[in-house]
Amino acid sequence: EPEVTQTPSHQVTQMGQEVILRCVPISNHLYFYWYRQILGQKVEFLVSFYNNEISEKSEIFDDQFSVERPDGSNFTLKIRSTKLEDSAMYFCASTYGREGSPLHFGNGTRLTVT
Amino acid sequence: AQSVTQLDSHVSVSEGTPVLLRCNYSSSYSPSLFWYVQHPNKGLQLLLKYTSAATLVKGINGFEAEFKKSETSFHLTKPSAHMSDAAEYFCVVTPTGTASKLTFGTGTRLQVTL
Repeated sequence: EPEVTQTPSHQVTQMGQEVILRCVPISNHLYFYWYRQILGQKVEFLVSFYNNEISEKSEIFDDQFSVERPDGSNFTLKIRSTKLEDSAMYFCASTYGREGSPLHFGNGTRLTVT
Repeated sequence: AQSVTQLDSHVSVSEGTPVLLRCNYSSSYSPSLFWYVQHPNKGLQLLLKYTSAATLVKGINGFEAEFKKSETSFHLTKPSAHMSDAAEYFCVVTPTGTASKLTFGTGTRLQVTL
């Protein structure tokens, strides 16, 4: 069964550095998402992406964050200048978008900002 | 607006006994509801989904859930717990018919003892 794949599985970075989290969604899916889960807290929506543009974003997704689908397969989340509070598990997800079609999640990237 | 309340943050059962994980939802729209499971250091895996068809939904690994509109509930059950069921379980809501963002509950950690 096709899967959403995320790389790297774990990223350690220093405060103020830029990071790029990478995702390869399922190939025929049309909607793409990033969620994050701070340790011990609930999974939170960050952003959704459709037709090469952001369709919805949360208040968490400020100017520090950007998403891109640079080619036909990759979907990236960039954090321009990381803060300690950006430390979290980041999940990429995708769906075809038909009614009732669920989101398929990747295994996540654990980002640690020191 | 939509929200999900998972009534128990932690549930402990003995192997072979029934599992009940409780979820109540609130939604301004006709909702789609999902249960996802997260094993340690793994991504979010879809267990089952309700999207306005049959109210009793069967999922993977012997889990099922019943949508009760009058009680705004979508509790997850399994007749007999297995050690491998130990994980974090998330109840999730989204408006039906859209590829909109998911709203997660805070999660229930299921512990299975011998």
